[in-house]
Amino acid sequence: TQLLEQSPQFLSIQEGENLTVYCNSSSVFSSLQWYRQEPGEGPVLLVTVVTGGEVKKLKRLTFQFGDARKDSSLHITAAQPGDTGLYLCAPIKAAGNKLTFGGGTRVLVKP
Amino acid sequence: SQTIHQWPATLVQPVGSPLSLECTVEGTSNPNLYWYRQAAGRGLQLLFYSVGIGQISSEVPQNLSASRPQDRQFILSSKKLLLSDSGFYLCAWSTGGSYEQYFGPGTRLTVT
Repeated sequence: TQLLEQSPQFLSIQEGENLTVYCNSSSVFSSLQWYRQEPGEGPVLLVTVVTGGEVKKLKRLTFQFGDARKDSSLHITAAQPGDTGLYLCAPIKAAGNKLTFGGGTRVLVKP
Repeated sequence: SQTIHQWPATLVQPVGSPLSLECTVEGTSNPNLYWYRQAAGRGLQLLFYSVGIGQISSEVPQNLSASRPQDRQFILSSKKLLLSDSGFYLCAWSTGGSYEQYFGPGTRLTVT
């Protein structure tokens, strides 16, 4: 069974600050997805990273896939209250139809 | 465009009562369908997934069951609810060969 850990579990920051959340595993993955979930709603896909060392930017969000494809990070620059939510990583193995989600990092951006 | 519906949105049920949650997808054919449960503020636990009508894979042993009577309909059921069944239930779909999943609005179940 793969070990998948997201850290920190909870992060509270002021508007304008930067933050980084992490997704780490003991397994190698073919790709990895990041989702954001707002309270009372379903998760929404933010990005899929595929290549080891890949960096993708989505406005103020920067996603990086580790060189060994075992870990990933999400960095938010100048966080805004609208960034508040639960950030979930979902690594993907080469075969199969299902995702395994991490426990998530709950981010609270205070105005 | 594709849409996914879940109902009911909220449900309060006593221990020992039956359960039926429904999920339907519009605008796509032969989707992969998934049921997840989420504890408060935590990650998603995959309960069941289906790659076609009548094909159900169970991920965790429990008192829940799933059925797919039609191509775009996925039902989560229980004969007798437990307190531990409380949670936020999410249905999702994906197209064959794609790992991008699209989630429904969820059902919040409270077992009292």
